[in-house]
Amino acid sequence: SQQGEEDPQALSIQEGENATMNCSYKTSINNLQWYRQNSGRGLVHLILIRSNEREKHSGRLRVTLDTSKKSSSLLITASRAADTASYFCATDDQAGTALIFGKGTTLSVSS
Amino acid sequence: DTAVSQTPKYLVTQMGNDKSIKCEQNLGHDTMYWYKQDSKKFLKIMFSYNNKELIINETVPNRFSPKSPDKAHLNLHINSLELGDSAVYFCASSQVGNTEAFFGQGTRLTVV
Repeated sequence: SQQGEEDPQALSIQEGENATMNCSYKTSINNLQWYRQNSGRGLVHLILIRSNEREKHSGRLRVTLDTSKKSSSLLITASRAADTASYFCATDDQAGTALIFGKGTTLSVSS
Repeated sequence: DTAVSQTPKYLVTQMGNDKSIKCEQNLGHDTMYWYKQDSKKFLKIMFSYNNKELIINETVPNRFSPKSPDKAHLNLHINSLELGDSAVYFCASSQVGNTEAFFGQGTRLTVV
């Protein structure tokens, strides 16, 4: 069953602006991950945040995790046209044997 | 070198046919997966193999069968293809204890 739900489904911004995507999930987790998928390509891992962490940074990416609200957010700062892609959050299934993905947010960055 | 490679990239076939998609990973990972992505980009886990044992099997039709000849390969066989099987199928791998997954480029299957 689906675990994560991203919000918004689609986001259009201008280059240089920040993009924020949210993810909510249903059950307790060990960690939460964010992936990017460029059109016609496979998914690429961006960042993993563990359940005991509240915030994590990687370059222009900032991820927060609120386990009390069962939600996470991905912030991309100073966006570029190359950031145009779909972004998915993913959590472990309850057995810890596979990733369960949300529906994704499609980000369009125009120059 | 491509970490996770799957072939073919595109597959067009008629209803009722049997087809296979191959996947190989050169990362030395213990676990491999097959995911199905539908037209709305929703990714669903189909199978997971760890050390040649099937450890999860979502409610997919038994027309789909994973075959793992060794730890580096997990092929997907599909019998009696149906129109609803049209989708993009992704192979992925990860190391036990680290669920960061590495994905192949996907196979776009079109059943006509």
